[in-house]
This record gives sequence, structure tokens and C-alpha cells, in this order.
Amino acid sequence: EADIYQTPRYLVIGTGKKITLECSQTMGHDKMYWYQQDPGMELHLIHYSYGVNSTEKGDLSSESTVSRIRTEHFPLTLESARPSHTSQYLCASSDTGTNYGYTFGSGTRLTVV
Amino acid sequence: AQRVTQPEKLLSVFKGAPVELKCNYSYSGSPELFWYVQYSRQRLQLLLRHISRESIKGFTADLNKGETSFHLKKPFAQEEDSAMYYCALSGNSGYALNFGKGTSLLVTP
Repeated sequence: EADIYQTPRYLVIGTGKKITLECSQTMGHDKMYWYQQDPGMELHLIHYSYGVNSTEKGDLSSESTVSRIRTEHFPLTLESARPSHTSQYLCASSDTGTNYGYTFGSGTRLTVV
Repeated sequence: AQRVTQPEKLLSVFKGAPVELKCNYSYSGSPELFWYVQYSRQRLQLLLRHISRESIKGFTADLNKGETSFHLKKPFAQEEDSAMYYCALSGNSGYALNFGKGTSLLVTP
């Protein structure tokens, strides 16, 4: 089924560890996005990509990095996790133009202890 | 700069009452505006977009450029409408959406 998938759903990890949050979509969308959301709060754009080998930082300063080697895959990496990285991370994708809006993944809830 | 403001963090109404969730935006160009909804334990999903001028689940939203608003309305709220609602704007960043802080709607019997 065409959809967008995020793994893991929940992750508890120690300070200083390197982690990668996975996001894959099977809809053939060109554009993909990462948002950070604290519970009950607004979504903050941290990274986006308009296609393969294209990545940009969003409005919210983030110590994470992303890559877009394949259209369907947009992983987010934290080289050294800190408690301040504790949050929910949402991945989304959209087709060319935004007239049809985004499709969101289920999110990864990250806790850094 | 582009900005989306949802002034109400929580809105509580009785079943059958009209509901209006407010959204104001700041953007100098022609915006694309959306409403997203997140039901309990479900992922964020698109509810409606201004360009289609559609009604989804009884909800409508009209873009008012003079007042820079895109309020979400429903004449008779249902309990299943209880959810978190986010207004979003696509402007300067091209396609990347800016989201408001969200309004939690609670419809009580």
C-alpha cells in the first residue's frame, strides 16, 4: 500500500549515542520533510528535500543531518544525542507543488536519557 | 516573514453547537492554506485546503485575504470531531508548510 513509514515508533537512548530515524515513502513523492513537535505544541520544520541529492535546513536550528540518496528514503541522523533532543519527529512527503498537502508518517518519539 | 496564529489553545463546545476554529496568517504574497487534523492516537492528516473550496466532514474554511484569516467552521459539532486541529501556510519556503500551534477541540455530549 502506498504510504509513508517511520521507524522506530519509540526510541529511548543514552546521551552521546548516534541515532538514525528512518523515513520511507512508496508514493513516488519528490518532496520530503522532517518536523519536530513537542507534545501539544506546534510543528517546527527542521529539514526538507525537493528531490534526490537536495537537502535544506528548515526554520528551526537543529543539530541533526539528513540525506536523500533515493527518492523514497529520507533518514535523519543525530551524531550525538542529548536530552534536549527529546521530542517527537514527524516525516512527511508531498507531490510536486503543495496543492494536495502533505502525507505524514506516524512519527518517532525520541527520549534521550 | 510568514506566520500562522491560532489564538485558541483549547476550544470546548457542546454536541450540535456551531464551532469555529480561528486561524490568522501573515504573508505578503498569495498563500496556500490548509487545515490538518490529528485524532487521538492517529497520525496528522489533511482535512481541507483552501484552493479546493471543499467541505470535508461538514467542515468548511474560507480564505479572507482582507482579514488574513482562514477560519475553520462547522455548523453542528459532533463528538467524533474532538481532535487537535492545525492551520498551515505555504508561502516563502515554496512548498514547506508553516504550522500554527494548534487548537484542541473538545465536543462534549
